[in-house]
Amino acid sequence: QVQLVESGGGVVQPGGSLRLSCAASGFTYGMHWVRQAPGKGLEWVAFIRHDGSDKYYADSVKGRFTISRDNSKNTLYLQVINLRPEDTAVYYCARGGLTRVDYWGQGTLVTVSS
Amino acid sequence: QSALTQPPSASGSPGQSVTISCTGTSSDVGGYNYVSWYQQHPGKAPKLIIYEVSNWPSGVPDRFSGSKSGNTASLTVSGLQPDDEADYYCSSYTVTNTLLFGGGTRLTVL
Repeated sequence: QVQLVESGGGVVQPGGSLRLSCAASGFTYGMHWVRQAPGKGLEWVAFIRHDGSDKYYADSVKGRFTISRDNSKNTLYLQVINLRPEDTAVYYCARGGLTRVDYWGQGTLVTVSS
Repeated sequence: QSALTQPPSASGSPGQSVTISCTGTSSDVGGYNYVSWYQQHPGKAPKLIIYEVSNWPSGVPDRFSGSKSGNTASLTVSGLQPDDEADYYCSSYTVTNTLLFGGGTRLTVL
C-alpha cells in the first residue's frame, strides 16, 4: 500500500514563503509535485529523481520553488518563496518516473491572500 | 508551455462508449509514447488509469483503453457505468524533460 501524506499548507500573504512536506512509504522512486487551483485542472510543478540527482521544474515556478528530498526520513519537500495569488492551489505529492505519475497523495491546500 | 488540448466535456448513456481526445505537438504527445490518463472524482485525488499510451495499471478494468495517432491521444471508456462520471486528464512527457497535463474533460453519464 503506497502512502503519501502531505502537510505544511495554509494561508500565506503574497510574497510570503512556505515549506510543504510529504511523508512517503516506498520512497525509492522519483517524486513529483502537482498542483490544482480551485475548480481548475492539474498543473505539473516539479520532479526529483529517486536519488536527488536531477530536478526539473515547470517554467511557471522556476526560480521560486525548490524540490528536495531526505531519503533517510522518507520525506519529500517543496520550498516555495515569493508566493503569488495565482499559486493558490491544492498541492499534491505524487510518486512516479519523469514520464508519468503512478500514485497521488490527498493534497494540501495553499492559499495566497492578504 | 500551454496545456494539452482536451474537450471540456463529454457524455454518454450507461453501456455506451465515449472517446476523449488529447492533442499536443511533436514535442510531447507526438514525440513519445509517454501519454498517461488519470481519473479524478470530485474532492478526490487523481488516479492513474492508462500509461504509455495503452497500458493498464493493476486493478484498472479493460473498459478503459488508450491509443495515439500523430499528435493526438485518445481515451475510450466502454460500457459506461455511473461511477465513470468524473474528470479525466491526459499527460505527456515533453522534449524539455517536463510533464504536461491536459486541461481536463468532465465526463457525464446520462
